[in-house]
Amino acid sequence: GNSVTQMEGPVTLSEEAFLTINCTYTATGYPSLFWYVQYPGEGLQLLLKATKADDKGSNKGFEATYRKETTSFHLEKGSVQVSDSAVYFCALRRDNNDMRFGAGTRLTVKP
Amino acid sequence: NAGVTQTPKFQVLKTGQSMTLQCAQDMNHEYMSWYRQDPGMGLRLIHYSVGAGITDQGEVPNGYNVSRSTTEDFPLRLLSAAPSQTSVYFCASRGYRGTQYFGPGTRLLVL
Repeated sequence: GNSVTQMEGPVTLSEEAFLTINCTYTATGYPSLFWYVQYPGEGLQLLLKATKADDKGSNKGFEATYRKETTSFHLEKGSVQVSDSAVYFCALRRDNNDMRFGAGTRLTVKP
Repeated sequence: NAGVTQTPKFQVLKTGQSMTLQCAQDMNHEYMSWYRQDPGMGLRLIHYSVGAGITDQGEVPNGYNVSRSTTEDFPLRLLSAAPSQTSVYFCASRGYRGTQYFGPGTRLLVL
């Protein structure tokens, strides 16, 4: 079946450090891939997405590239800020509308 | 646009009680869904609907009922609450193949 595996947290970084959160997926066909962010006490918000192989999604300094050969969609940011502290979810969606989420990775950025 | 709204924000139930979690969206989206979020498990799909009058089961449907009498509303019913249903519940909606929008969540505690 379709599933998403993302790196376990929590991740703690200093401000301006480089961030990578790994995400790999298992799916038949060609899913769309997403990163969502959840700030404390809020619902999930779409951060970025990619709908086909080699697409790069980007937003707010974050980016992720759809790698079909490695079935991965790793999230990166060159210089994190305290305001980036949140829980990040990798997700995929097949044509049947069903979205599958990873377990989430909690990021804490310290000043 | 209010987006996706959920009520209540927080609820405490005793085992065996019933309740309905409300969800509404004002974006005229056909697709709506309910997820539960548990620590270390990400979001799991409970039920979803592709339009008024049409609902289907997700990954973890047992103990929950849904109905979709209008495009705007998608309530989730717990007929006999159990401690295992203690969780945070998120409602979401989206247009066909579009971005999924989440509500702010309902935190449920079953004693």
